[in-house]
Amino acid sequence: GAVVSQHPSRVICKSGTSVKIECRSLDFQATTMFWYRQFPKQSLMLMATSNEGSKATYEQGVEKDKFLINHASLTLSTLTVTSAHPEDSSFYICSASGTTRAAEAFFGQGTRLTVV
Amino acid sequence: AQKVTQAQTEISVVEKEDVTLDCVYETRDTTYYLFWYKQPPSGELVFLIRRNSFDEQNEISGRYSWNFQKSTSSFNFTITASQVVDSAVYFCALSGIILTGGGNKLTFGTGTQLKVEL
Repeated sequence: GAVVSQHPSRVICKSGTSVKIECRSLDFQATTMFWYRQFPKQSLMLMATSNEGSKATYEQGVEKDKFLINHASLTLSTLTVTSAHPEDSSFYICSASGTTRAAEAFFGQGTRLTVV
Repeated sequence: AQKVTQAQTEISVVEKEDVTLDCVYETRDTTYYLFWYKQPPSGELVFLIRRNSFDEQNEISGRYSWNFQKSTSSFNFTITASQVVDSAVYFCALSGIILTGGGNKLTFGTGTQLKVEL
């Protein structure tokens, strides 16, 4: 299967600071990337869909200004949690898909964010 | 709207027992995809299988098997002769049509925590 690399795997930050999470597709062109969020012992919830070169589409209830998504190239999408608060602590995971492997969803390793 | 139900929150079995994880889905799409993922404590999602709605053949891969029943909207997963290493959370997921740029928006079930004990 394709490789999607997510970095960092763990991050601890102070309240009020911003954190950037990177999602890279290593061996295919990811025209579409998805960002999910998972609270402890809960399911994964889609936050937003990003297409290369265009604005992300956010799911209902997700704050665009809080969770900034950039998909500037076919191999990289970033999620920035701005002015983080303890309630933003969660597991964030990305998935990537491309036109040549459109039906598949390859996931990164996930990022565990703790805001103190 | 799409929905995936995994009614079993937690299952505990003794090693070597067979175990079936249930998954029931709802969708109005005529073409859709069903997935199973394994999530060990480390958190990453390990892809297990993808099945499209037109392929109702059951599949076996080693100790894993999947039973897709379109008539009951179910896509159950069986582990034969379970092992301690199978302990993890298992998610069933559903996606609809492929987006223009490629890719699936997955709707996940709530997951089933499987504990396999010696």
